[in-house]
Amino acid sequence: DAKTTQPPSMDCAEGRAANLPCNHSTISGNEYVYWYRQIHSQGPQYIIHGLKNNETNEMASLIITEDRKSSTLILPHATLRDTAVYYCIVRVATGNQGGKLIFGQGTELSVKP
Amino acid sequence: NAGVMQNPRHLVRRRGQEARLRCSPMKGHSHVYWYRQLPEEGLKFMVYLQKENIIDESGMPKERFSAEFPKEGPSILRIQQVVRGDSAAYFCASSPGLAGRGEQFFGPGTRLTVL
Repeated sequence: DAKTTQPPSMDCAEGRAANLPCNHSTISGNEYVYWYRQIHSQGPQYIIHGLKNNETNEMASLIITEDRKSSTLILPHATLRDTAVYYCIVRVATGNQGGKLIFGQGTELSVKP
Repeated sequence: NAGVMQNPRHLVRRRGQEARLRCSPMKGHSHVYWYRQLPEEGLKFMVYLQKENIIDESGMPKERFSAEFPKEGPSILRIQQVVRGDSAAYFCASSPGLAGRGEQFFGPGTRLTVL
């Protein structure tokens, strides 16, 4: 079973920031928070991951609370092409024990004009 | 830098036939994962392989399904005697293993339809 809880759906206006929350209250000390997305029928796409510090890359920002029990993925200027299902996943980063990704139901983000 | 390649992209089989799905990982990646997405359902892990070794097959159905990742060539997911319930999208992902940061890179998937 997935170790994360996400809202099933969200809407966002084009050009505005999309803030996608994720709860992971049982996260372990050596587990990272990963975000992936799946645009309709395509293969999932890696977005970003972090351990405890906030992270930013060219796609998004990841804000992790100090107690690490929740996080927020931020798409700063959402476009129509960001419409997708977003998955928040917790797992260890490397090593054989961290192999598989366990996908929950994710959040279906709809970016509207 | 080519990404993960899967072929065929679409595969149609009749009940009882065999399906072979191929996955070529990204250059330099030695770890391969297979996931299945049934219609209107989420992605489910099937198997994790390194070159010539199966590391975790906890998500593989007990019968008819097998996977390999030989020393040379692509990884193969093989489904024998397919049934209609095998109709799904099968995604392969690769990672550089211990040299990486844990992210997996996915291919475009193979859509299997069983008639």
